Amino acid sequence: EPEVTQTPSHQVTQMGQEVILRCVPISNHLYFYWYRQILGQKVEFLVSFYNNEISEKSEIFDDQFSVERPDGSNFTLKIRSTKLEDSAMYFCASRPRSDSYAFPLKNIQYFGAGTRLSVL
Amino acid sequence: TQLLEQSPQFLSIQEGENLTVYCNSSSVFSSLQWYRQEPGEGPVLLVTVVTGGEVKKLKRLTFQFGDARKDSSLHITAAQPGDTGLYLCAGPHMGGSNYKLTFGKGTLLTVNP
Repeated sequence: EPEVTQTPSHQVTQMGQEVILRCVPISNHLYFYWYRQILGQKVEFLVSFYNNEISEKSEIFDDQFSVERPDGSNFTLKIRSTKLEDSAMYFCASRPRSDSYAFPLKNIQYFGAGTRLSVL
Repeated sequence: TQLLEQSPQFLSIQEGENLTVYCNSSSVFSSLQWYRQEPGEGPVLLVTVVTGGEVKKLKRLTFQFGDARKDSSLHITAAQPGDTGLYLCAGPHMGGSNYKLTFGKGTLLTVNP
């Protein structure tokens, strides 16, 4: 069964360092998302990406964050200068194109196993 | 802002018991999804409910969507230790085509052998 894969599973970094979290979405999916989950808190939307551009971003997704689909298969989240409060699980998700499935299947997002980011 | 409130936050029961967890909102959702998340893993989709009043069964799990599509419940019959995990409900944000998901905080279920 196709799945979303994320690497690394755990990233430890020093405050102020840049990190890149990588995701390989399901191959025929066109919508991509990043969510994060701070320990003990709910899963929060960060950003959605479609047609090589950001389609929506949350207040959390400030200038320190960027996303990219560099080669047609990977989808990356970059944090330029990490802060202690960036420590969280980061989940990538993907969704098929809207017209390839009837509602509600087109709404279903498939999640990766996550990257645990620890900022020291 | 669409919010999803889940209750109870924590639930610890013995193997063989039945349980129900709830997901409530003041907003209408076009659909609601239930996920199970295990420690260190991403959310895994269990079911999507769409129609008001809909009931879906997945083995010992029964999901119900409220008539007004503002709430949902998950009932587990004869719980087993393998059911232990964080149960999350999530709904697509109304408006736009991004279908970004709003999540509840989840119910952490522990089934003791």
